[in-house]
Amino acid sequence: DQQVKQNSPSLSVQEGRISILNCDYTNSMFDYFLWYKKYPAEGPTFLISISSIKDKNEDGRFTVFLNKSAKHLSLHIVPSQPGDSAVYFCAESSTLGRLYFGRGTQLTVWP
Amino acid sequence: DTGVSQDPRHKITKRGQNVTFRCDPISEHNRLYWYRQTLGQGPEFLTYFQNEAQLEKSRLLSDRFSAERPKGSFSTLEIQRTEQGDSAMYLCASSSRSGATEKLFFGSGTQLSVL
Repeated sequence: DQQVKQNSPSLSVQEGRISILNCDYTNSMFDYFLWYKKYPAEGPTFLISISSIKDKNEDGRFTVFLNKSAKHLSLHIVPSQPGDSAVYFCAESSTLGRLYFGRGTQLTVWP
Repeated sequence: DTGVSQDPRHKITKRGQNVTFRCDPISEHNRLYWYRQTLGQGPEFLTYFQNEAQLEKSRLLSDRFSAERPKGSFSTLEIQRTEQGDSAMYLCASSSRSGATEKLFFGSGTQLSVL
């Protein structure tokens, strides 16, 4: 009964190109959606978030798009860099701050 | 400016033994969370404290699991009579609500292996 689904376990992109990571959700009641990045042997770190009343939020190379009618979230990284190689999790945030995470997508950016 | 600290980083134990993990949150954060992550999965919520009060527990938190946050500062997570299925990364996170969004800061986790 996973509420947040990341259907691509991995993505490989050449340095300088765009990385697009996707996420689908089932519950429309959540107020915020977030992306976290995780390197091996470290905890997840917050990357970017978007309110459910918006359809786009941008922070430097990172842009998150929200399509509420399709219940779809995507993260765009432009240009991709080798240091971006990590596991990316999308998550929904409840009012208590509890996060529901997807299974993650391993992004590999090669030179 | 220290982040969330977890101890130990790794724990290997035999089935049936008890283990205890510690989490020190960011000092000004009043909210503390425990999550568990297994291979190929995202982090799963276990429990949540606001100050010293445990406000929510997941059904994943069986009666063998107990979490405390005495005095509203550090927290401990104890697993009694460990089972092989308890093997996972246990993550602690803290936050203080800033505006309408909740940004959690995670520690590096405790990797538990039950033999």
